[in-house]
Amino acid sequence: AQSVSQHNHHVILSEAASLELGCNYSYGGTVNLFWYVQYPGQHLQLLLKYFSGDPLVKGIKGFEAEFIKSKFSFNLRKPSVQWSDTAEYFCAVSPNAGNNRKLIWGLGTSLAVNP
Amino acid sequence: KAGVTQTPRYLIKTRGQQVTLSCSPISGHRSVSWYQQTPGQGLQFLFEYFSETQRNKGNFPGRFSGRQFSNSRSEMNVSTLELGDSALYLCASSGGFVGGRFADTQYFGPGTRLTVL
Repeated sequence: AQSVSQHNHHVILSEAASLELGCNYSYGGTVNLFWYVQYPGQHLQLLLKYFSGDPLVKGIKGFEAEFIKSKFSFNLRKPSVQWSDTAEYFCAVSPNAGNNRKLIWGLGTSLAVNP
Repeated sequence: KAGVTQTPRYLIKTRGQQVTLSCSPISGHRSVSWYQQTPGQGLQFLFEYFSETQRNKGNFPGRFSGRQFSNSRSEMNVSTLELGDSALYLCASSGGFVGGRFADTQYFGPGTRLTVL
């Protein structure tokens, strides 16, 4: 079955620390890849996405992610986190197979950044 | 543009009852997807509607159903509620299939928090 695995469930960092959140998926075909973020009390919103082209994708607020096809990974990175990055981060994958349009989600990573 | 709206925001029901949740997508969006979010299971896909047709369905029992109207508004119904149905139900809209790929970003509403007692 198709699945998405986020390796870190809870991450605690100090401001200015670097961040890397892991995301691996199981699907052999072409995929669209997403990272969504949910700030406390707010809606889920898109952080960045990869459909094709340059595997290094830049998103909002200084986040970036790299798609490594051979590793089935789409890790999220930020060189220097801020207190305002405290949120829940979700990786999602959409298999690009015909009319298959559903997003498959990881369980999320809760990030707490201490000031 | 106004965002995705969901009503009601909170619901408390008892086992055996049924419930209907409503979602209004962003104007112009024709695709509406529904998700169930729980702490233990994360986000799980329920179904997706496009132009009033269900185009994809997740692995949920038949008690969960939905529909979409001609104005793209969607409703989700859960019959014979069980305690395990307590969750945040999220609706997301997108512009639809673009260039042969599901490439559009999904925009989420605030969700409906359902509590089953």
